[in-house]
Amino acid sequence: NAGVTQTPKFQVLKTGQSMTLQCAQDMNHNSMYWYRQDPGMGLRLIYYSASEGTTDKGEVPNGYNVSRLNKREFSLRLESAAPSQTSVYFCASSEVGGFGNQPQHFGDGTRLSIL
Amino acid sequence: GIQVEQSPPDLILQEGANSTLRCNFSDSVNNLQWFHQNPWGQLINLFYIPSGTKQNGRLSATTVATERYSLLYISSSQTTDSGVYFCAVVRTGNQFYFGTGTSLTVIP
Repeated sequence: NAGVTQTPKFQVLKTGQSMTLQCAQDMNHNSMYWYRQDPGMGLRLIYYSASEGTTDKGEVPNGYNVSRLNKREFSLRLESAAPSQTSVYFCASSEVGGFGNQPQHFGDGTRLSIL
Repeated sequence: GIQVEQSPPDLILQEGANSTLRCNFSDSVNNLQWFHQNPWGQLINLFYIPSGTKQNGRLSATTVATERYSLLYISSSQTTDSGVYFCAVVRTGNQFYFGTGTSLTVIP
């Protein structure tokens, strides 16, 4: 089982460049999430998609856009990258949202550096 | 948002020792989850525990929702237990709020 797959694993961008981080899950989960993790900190929610066709802002959405392409795929886009967006990005999925008695499953992360 | 505080921030153990990690949260929550982030950065679910006690091998967790805290117990620690332990809570909707973690180092 692949679980949650993120691509790419590493990326270096210049300030102002755009990029899309890809995430796909093969567990038939309804909910998907994007987090960022900065050094020495816990994860912070950027955007989530409770179900196919819906997306909502999380704690730190500024500078990002998302697309829930289908039930399997949830992408995160940086339109004009800034050094403050240097971070490790994690995608996660769960069968249902936070109220459900289902855990979140995480991808291995994308390490993004913006120069 | 809800505040999630974990203690201690850092912990060094001799292999075989036991430890207790604590997670305090500032408001009522609907669910709580413990994760282990290994030295390679991978996040692994440990427990999904909004209340009560669960055990999985050498690990166990207890959440007392009315008093707004959760505890993670690690017994007979092993070097593979090293990493960062996070708790995350859900208050409403789908938003998980993470604590800043406890960094555990187990030395042989």
